[in-house]
Amino acid sequence: KAGVTQTPRYLIKTRGQQVTLSCSPISGHRSVSWYQQTPGQGLQFLFEYFSETQRNKGNFPGRFSGRQFSNSRSEMNVSTLELGDSALYLCASSLGQGGGEKLFFGSGTQLSVL
Amino acid sequence: TQLLEQSPQFLSIQEGENLTVYCNSSSVFSSLQWYRQEPGEGPVLLVTVVTGGEVKKLKRLTFQFGDARKDSSLHITAAQPGDTGLYLCAGVRNSGYALNFGKGTSLLVT
Repeated sequence: KAGVTQTPRYLIKTRGQQVTLSCSPISGHRSVSWYQQTPGQGLQFLFEYFSETQRNKGNFPGRFSGRQFSNSRSEMNVSTLELGDSALYLCASSLGQGGGEKLFFGSGTQLSVL
Repeated sequence: TQLLEQSPQFLSIQEGENLTVYCNSSSVFSSLQWYRQEPGEGPVLLVTVVTGGEVKKLKRLTFQFGDARKDSSLHITAAQPGDTGLYLCAGVRNSGYALNFGKGTSLLVT
């Protein structure tokens, strides 16, 4: 069974630009969660999607948005990039929704904002 | 303020030594998970503990959930270089929904 796939693996953007990251969950998994990981703050929850609906959202500004498609694939978008958005963005899929589920993480997208 | 505090932040030990890492909070959790993350990869789930006082073993790794479900520990016996990585604890609060992560303990075994 293929794991969680995130693309692209690396991204370099400049301030003010926008970026879209993609996540393909494990086949059969209907929930996709997104996390931002930085050395200073660790892993911070962005949002969770289940059956194309956002079920939960972390404490991030509205510049961070996401969506989920009918095949459970998910994208997250960050608009008007800031230097502080440089981070590893991790996607995780699970069978069900909620924090108690077993999460399977992708390898992440390393975003650098210059 | 971090909901889950992990200590120590960094640990560098010799192969064969034992070690314990801690995950503490003032909140009560319905469950706690431990993950290991290797450089360039996403975290991989090691174990989930759900009952206060629960002890789970995974080969040389022993996980314990505190009686009050506010803290957890991970003990590694006879550490090996393959144990090197970032160990993360994560939990769902009784009153919560999302999974909250600690900042992790970075372990280097040489």
